[in-house]
Amino acid sequence: DTAVSQTPKYLVTQMGNDKSIKCEQNLGHDTMYWYKQDSKKFLKIMFSYNNKELIINETVPNRFSPKSPDKAHLNLHINSLELGDSAVYFCASSPRDGGTGDTQYFGPGTRLTVL
Amino acid sequence: SQKIEQNSEALNIQEGKTATLTCNYTNYSPAYLQWYRQDPGRGPVFLLLIRENEKEKRKERLKVTFDTTLKQSLFHITASQPADSATYLCAGAGNNRKLIWGLGTSLAVNP
Repeated sequence: DTAVSQTPKYLVTQMGNDKSIKCEQNLGHDTMYWYKQDSKKFLKIMFSYNNKELIINETVPNRFSPKSPDKAHLNLHINSLELGDSAVYFCASSPRDGGTGDTQYFGPGTRLTVL
Repeated sequence: SQKIEQNSEALNIQEGKTATLTCNYTNYSPAYLQWYRQDPGRGPVFLLLIRENEKEKRKERLKVTFDTTLKQSLFHITASQPADSATYLCAGAGNNRKLIWGLGTSLAVNP
């Protein structure tokens, strides 16, 4: 039944570790996104894929690498985690190409805590 | 740079009253604005979209306006209920298929 799902919901790890967050959508949407929401609640776009093609690649450290094996999945791998990476990471999807009028459907978020 | 600004102060209102939230955009003209609701520990949920050539849009108790002269959108919840308490996010269409997000306004409806 779940539309956009993410795993894990919580992730606590040490500085320097490498971790991955997975996202799946069963809505048949063409575009998927990764957002970071920091402690000030600001939603910042990180990446977007349309039909497995990277279309938005914001200025994020290259320690962050997205991967879209198919249009229903978008994973985020983070190398050498730093304290400043602690945040809630949201996956989202939209029906078309993210352009005019395309609304976004969000997952429940993954709360990442780096110690 | 393109900005979406919302009132950062929490809005407290009495049940049954109309809540009005403001979204201002600067340094650009979005083709449309979207409003989302976010509850603690959850992802944003889409509520309404309004295009720049539309003055007003309604959905049940929700109404949103788009004023291109004032560069502003207002989001109204009529006959507010405690269940309407949440953070409301405004997002504007930016360049290259990105949404520009505001920080959100927290609404508390008191019984």
